[in-house]
Amino acid sequence: AQSVTQLGSHVSVSEGALVLLRCNYSSSVPPYLFWYVQYPNQGLQLLLKYTSAATLVKGINGFEAEFKKSETSFHLTKPSAHMSDAAEYFCAVTPGLPFWGANSKLTFGKGITLSVRP
Amino acid sequence: KAGVTQTPRYLIKTRGQQVTLSCSPISGHRSVSWYQQTPGQGLQFLFEYFSETQRNKGNFPGRFSGRQFSNSRSEMNVSTLELGDSALYLCASFDGNYGYTFGSGTRLTVV
Repeated sequence: AQSVTQLGSHVSVSEGALVLLRCNYSSSVPPYLFWYVQYPNQGLQLLLKYTSAATLVKGINGFEAEFKKSETSFHLTKPSAHMSDAAEYFCAVTPGLPFWGANSKLTFGKGITLSVRP
Repeated sequence: KAGVTQTPRYLIKTRGQQVTLSCSPISGHRSVSWYQQTPGQGLQFLFEYFSETQRNKGNFPGRFSGRQFSNSRSEMNVSTLELGDSALYLCASFDGNYGYTFGSGTRLTVV
């Protein structure tokens, strides 16, 4: 079974400061990992994904994440926060992908709300 | 290229009624999955369809059902609505490049 832990429900940073959102996962098989962002009254937008290639993954809007198998972590970072980054962020894991016929459901963490102070 | 389209965006229903939500995936995507999002339970998997076949089902009662048509469009149905079914229902299609694209969701309110 897969699970995702996102420590803390709310993170507040100053504009221009480093953003660090933590994600730890549990998976019985090599996982595929994702970070999504959700703005109010909208769906989920994919920020980046890990699919067993490079362990440092670069995504959209200046975000990146590093897959660390030994720590079972996939933390999301951004060097300099912008006001427009204020949103809710979700980490998700899946053991497989649809076209392989495997169990491909996404298991999400509880989400972290990021606030950016001017 | 059009994204994932969910209709309607908002819906208000009365307890005991039934509701049907629609999802049109990105053109060419054959995999569609559904998720329920509530403040208390977060994002929970409902079901996944691939080429008209349900391949996975989450831990929801039988009142929740779905189907996928030959053009990959999908519908989910909830019968005998309960207050606890109030949620944002999200549909996602798989883009073949290891990513899931989500629609904007249908906000269902049961009164």
